[in-house]
Amino acid sequence: GQQLNQSPQSMFIQEGEDVSMNCTSSSIFNTWLWYKQDPGEGPVLLIALYKAGELTSNGRLTAQFGITRKDSFLNISASIPSDVGIYFCAPLTQGGSEKLVFGKGTKLTVNP
Amino acid sequence: DADVTQTPRNRITKTGKRIMLECSQTKGHDRMYWYRQDPGLGLRLIYYSFDVKDINKGEISDGYSVSRQAQAKFSLSLESAIPNQTALYFCATSDFYGNQPQHFGDGTRLSIL
Repeated sequence: GQQLNQSPQSMFIQEGEDVSMNCTSSSIFNTWLWYKQDPGEGPVLLIALYKAGELTSNGRLTAQFGITRKDSFLNISASIPSDVGIYFCAPLTQGGSEKLVFGKGTKLTVNP
Repeated sequence: DADVTQTPRNRITKTGKRIMLECSQTKGHDRMYWYRQDPGLGLRLIYYSFDVKDINKGEISDGYSVSRQAQAKFSLSLESAIPNQTALYFCATSDFYGNQPQHFGDGTRLSIL
């Protein structure tokens, strides 16, 4: 079956620092999605990547779809307290069923 | 108003009770999903539906059932709740077209005593 590894599991950083997290898989995917979940809320889509090698930014967030199609990373620059939350990678399976596979999440804590 | 609405937001009940969680959406999406979230395990797919007449089991469907009453409504039932079904439950929707992101409700926190 598919194995999806998201790392790190948690990060404790100071406000203003940059953050990097990544997901790797044994399987090839057509699409990589990155979500953020705030406490008490559902995941919210941050960035969607549709092509191998694609590099996409959304404000201070940058994500890349690995050229092997088996990995992706998310960077956050100049972190602020509201970046606190859990970040999930979620690649889409191929073959028409299009079910999301979720990483176990990276819990980010930002100290002011 | 939220595009994907889940009710109730919180529920505490006893072992053996039948429980229904409801989800409605105003996004006009054909596809709807139910997930369960446990600490440290991410989100796991319980059931999904690609249209009103289509129901599919996900990764962890045992102990759950679903009903797609209309394009906009997808409910999840626990016929006889057990404590290890205590979790956060999310409904999500996505468009018909391939590789479209899913959009999530705010979740139902379910506690079974």
